[in-house]
Amino acid sequence: DGGITQSPKYLFRKEGQNVTLSCEQNLNHDAMYWYRQDPGQGLRLIYYSQIVNDFQKGDIAEGYSVSREKKESFPLTVTSAQKNPTAFYLCASSSQTTWETQYFGPGTRLLVL
Amino acid sequence: SQQGEEDPQALSIQEGENATMNCSYKTSINNLQWYRQNSGRGLVHLILIRSNEREKHSGRLRVTLDTSKKSSSLLITASRAADTASYFCATRAGANNLFFGTGTRLTVIP
Repeated sequence: DGGITQSPKYLFRKEGQNVTLSCEQNLNHDAMYWYRQDPGQGLRLIYYSQIVNDFQKGDIAEGYSVSREKKESFPLTVTSAQKNPTAFYLCASSSQTTWETQYFGPGTRLLVL
Repeated sequence: SQQGEEDPQALSIQEGENATMNCSYKTSINNLQWYRQNSGRGLVHLILIRSNEREKHSGRLRVTLDTSKKSSSLLITASRAADTASYFCATRAGANNLFFGTGTRLTVIP
């Protein structure tokens, strides 16, 4: 899982609640990404950031928000607007010189109570 | 969609056998990558092959790319129980982000 940490490993959300997933990297990478993975499925891109204080929507950004105030941190908030949040969330990063290869964290599994 | 599709969806083999999985995609690409995911964990990058390459090796891994057929294959030779995982192909076109396939679940029986 390289130098990327995600916390918590499991997260429970109540109806109408916002929750925030943490992603930290010590690889000095410029770009960071958030993906959602549903059972038996591939990864779908939620948001990505290529530089501090800038981020772009991915394919399924609705109901999610992010911030990139520091190079090493890219937290993801799952808002109450996301009606089906139960999934496995993966954070990844890549360096400016090796945009192609992405390094992934261990993931956070979000469950709805 | 540019998303790749892996085939087969699931593969079960005996330890020591070779495992082959395929990936097809829809649009022109700059490169294609293969990743491994152990159950409940993050993805690990295995190998990258560029659009102007036809074959690449890394240890027990062999990847081929046929851009005319828009397909790639991943061969794992002399498989081990530790190779049990899901394998994903991911494609990149231009400055776009990676698009991941749905994966092949490989089980290697000791």
